[in-house]
Amino acid sequence: DAEITQSPRHKITETGRQVTLACHQTWNHNNMFWYRQDLGHGLRLIHYSYGVHDTNKGEVSDGYSVSRSNTEDLPLTLESAASSQTSVYFCASSPGSEAFFGQGTRLTVV
Amino acid sequence: QKEVEQNSGPLSVPEGAIASLNCTYSDRGSQSFFWYRQYSGKSPELIMFIYSNGDKEDGRFTAQLNKASQYVSLLIRDSQPSDSATYLCAVDQGFQKLVFGTGTRLLVSP
Repeated sequence: DAEITQSPRHKITETGRQVTLACHQTWNHNNMFWYRQDLGHGLRLIHYSYGVHDTNKGEVSDGYSVSRSNTEDLPLTLESAASSQTSVYFCASSPGSEAFFGQGTRLTVV
Repeated sequence: QKEVEQNSGPLSVPEGAIASLNCTYSDRGSQSFFWYRQYSGKSPELIMFIYSNGDKEDGRFTAQLNKASQYVSLLIRDSQPSDSATYLCAVDQGFQKLVFGTGTRLLVSP
């Protein structure tokens, strides 16, 4: 079955380190998204892509970057991790408006 | 910032009752609306989407949309303890980017 997977599922890193979260989907969807979920804020859009070599900033993009070199993958990089980036990160892909989510990555920055 | 508002709850209903979850949105131009269910520690799961004014039924779930009042709701009939979760309302803010509410926690007691 087609699916969307994230790795790692849990990550602890130190302040200032560069971290990359992986997202891989086998649905061949053009649209891919990264969200973070925090108590009291719900899901907030970080970056998104409508296809290969296309990337766009979302609502909370500062300190994050993405690249899209193929249809299947949209890795999220935290350039220099900060404690404020401790969160649960969800990747999603969609054929249109409806989004399908990966299992999430819980990131702790200490 | 286009907003989606939900009562955080918890909304407590007895088993077998109808649970009514509500959502309002600020962008009058929004066209597509989604309900996601999220169990604790899990990723959001798409339950229903609705594009047109009126009701849309799928099994025990009914989504209702009133664009004039900028209001979308989800009714869950014959609520079961397994329906206990957080329900997220999402609105397509354009170009297939979803804006999420913070969710309503539903508790169904046996």
